[in-house]
Amino acid sequence: EVQLVESGGGLVQPGGSLRLSCAASGFTFSNYWMSWVRQAPGKGLEWVANIKQDGGEKYSVDSVRGRFTISRDNAKNSLYLQMNSLRAEDTAVYYCARFYCSGGGCYHGFDYWGQGTLVTVSS
Amino acid sequence: QSALTQPASVSGSPGQSITISCTGTSSDVGSYNLVSWYQQHPGKAPKLMIYEGSKRPSGVSNRFSGSKSGNTASLTISGLQAEDEADYHCCSYAGSSTYVFGTGTKVTVL
Repeated sequence: EVQLVESGGGLVQPGGSLRLSCAASGFTFSNYWMSWVRQAPGKGLEWVANIKQDGGEKYSVDSVRGRFTISRDNAKNSLYLQMNSLRAEDTAVYYCARFYCSGGGCYHGFDYWGQGTLVTVSS
Repeated sequence: QSALTQPASVSGSPGQSITISCTGTSSDVGSYNLVSWYQQHPGKAPKLMIYEGSKRPSGVSNRFSGSKSGNTASLTISGLQAEDEADYHCCSYAGSSTYVFGTGTKVTVL
């Protein structure tokens, strides 16, 4: 069974840092692009960042570029999001998500999501 | 990278069909037929319903269908059921391995 379990969220002051982790199981983690997606309270989803299977390509939304860094450790089946210079507007539930792959191909869609971890940025 | 525009709410009676729109720009929805749709029940993680415009993952009911015209993608739910009551989010590929989500739509089954 595919499982994605996020951890590392919590309350942090503006300007502070947090490192989120996502533990993957039930599939060959190193074969998949992975993403972080967030959802502010009562709001829609927002794509945050992607990382290629080998970690060699990374992409992120403009609002976090230079502050957040996505990374992965395929030996530990884990995805990470290092968040620095946090702002109030970064307050959200952060989900890790797996790109959808089937029948030997991979597609533009996220088929498995974790349960999310809440990050609250407040003084 | 502005959010795609969705109606805040859509409602319908059981058995009816409803359509949720998702309007972007020529840089995202208009340039690629790569919109995905997600269903999200309260307090739960999103579930992939449609990918790459109109394709359904295995296990998703054929009552859900996707389409696109110009800069607007649409999700149609036919034969509306009580369990379809949820939030729905669209997401488009926006080039250079980036994505943009919609503002989200609350579907109410009357």
